[in-house]
Amino acid sequence: GAVVSQHPSRVICKSGTSVKIECRSLDFQATTMFWYRQFPKQSLMLMATSNEGSKATYEQGVEKDKFLINHASLTLSTLTVTSAHPEDSSFYICSAQNPGLNEQYFGPGTRLTVT
Amino acid sequence: DQQVKQNSPSLSVQEGRISILNCDYTNSMFDYFLWYKKYPAEGPTFLISISSIKDKNEDGRFTVFLNKSAKHLSLHIVPSQPGDSAVYFCAAREAGSYQLTFGKGTKLSVIP
Repeated sequence: GAVVSQHPSRVICKSGTSVKIECRSLDFQATTMFWYRQFPKQSLMLMATSNEGSKATYEQGVEKDKFLINHASLTLSTLTVTSAHPEDSSFYICSAQNPGLNEQYFGPGTRLTVT
Repeated sequence: DQQVKQNSPSLSVQEGRISILNCDYTNSMFDYFLWYKKYPAEGPTFLISISSIKDKNEDGRFTVFLNKSAKHLSLHIVPSQPGDSAVYFCAAREAGSYQLTFGKGTKLSVIP
C-alpha cells in the first residue's frame, strides 16, 4: 500500500488565490520530506527540502515567499502556493525519506490548475 | 547543466524481449543510484537501486548495472511485459545527502 499520501490529488483555483497541498508519511516518521514539480515531458525538479521543526531549504530559483513549506510534524509537510498564477499550474509531488533507508517514497502527486 | 541524463526519450520493445534503459551522469560525487517507474498523473514508484561499491544489482526481472568509470548505468527488464509500459526515471544521490537528482525519463512501451 501507499506509504506517502498527498491531498488533494487535483485542484483548480483562480488566479490570485492560495492553495495548500498536504503530504503525509503513513508508515514511518519522516524527518526529511521533499517537494518536486514536474512540467509535461520534463524531469522532476526539486523545489525544496522540508525538515521537521526547521525552515525549509529552497533550491535556486524557487521563491520561498511564494511556495510556503511547513513541516510541523514527523508525518506531515504542507506546501502552500500563494497568490497563484497560471504559470504555477503544474504537477506537484512530495516525497519522504525513511530514516536509515536509502529509498525515498513518493506521493501520488497533485495536479494544480490555475485559471 | 544536467547532471543525470537519459538520452532516449522513448523506447519500444516487443513483449518477452529485453528492455534496456540507459542513464549517464556527470557528477563524480554521486554514490547511490535509483530507478523509479512512473505512470501518468501518479508519483514515481521505487524500482531498484545500486550503490557505487557494486556493479550489479538484481531483483526479479529487473537488473541494474553500474559502470563507474564510464559514469553510466542501465536498467534491464527481462522479460518485458505490457504492464512495464511507463516512464522510467534514473536518479542519483551524493554521499551524505538525501537529495535526488533526476534524469528526464524514458518512456517505455512494451508491445504485446
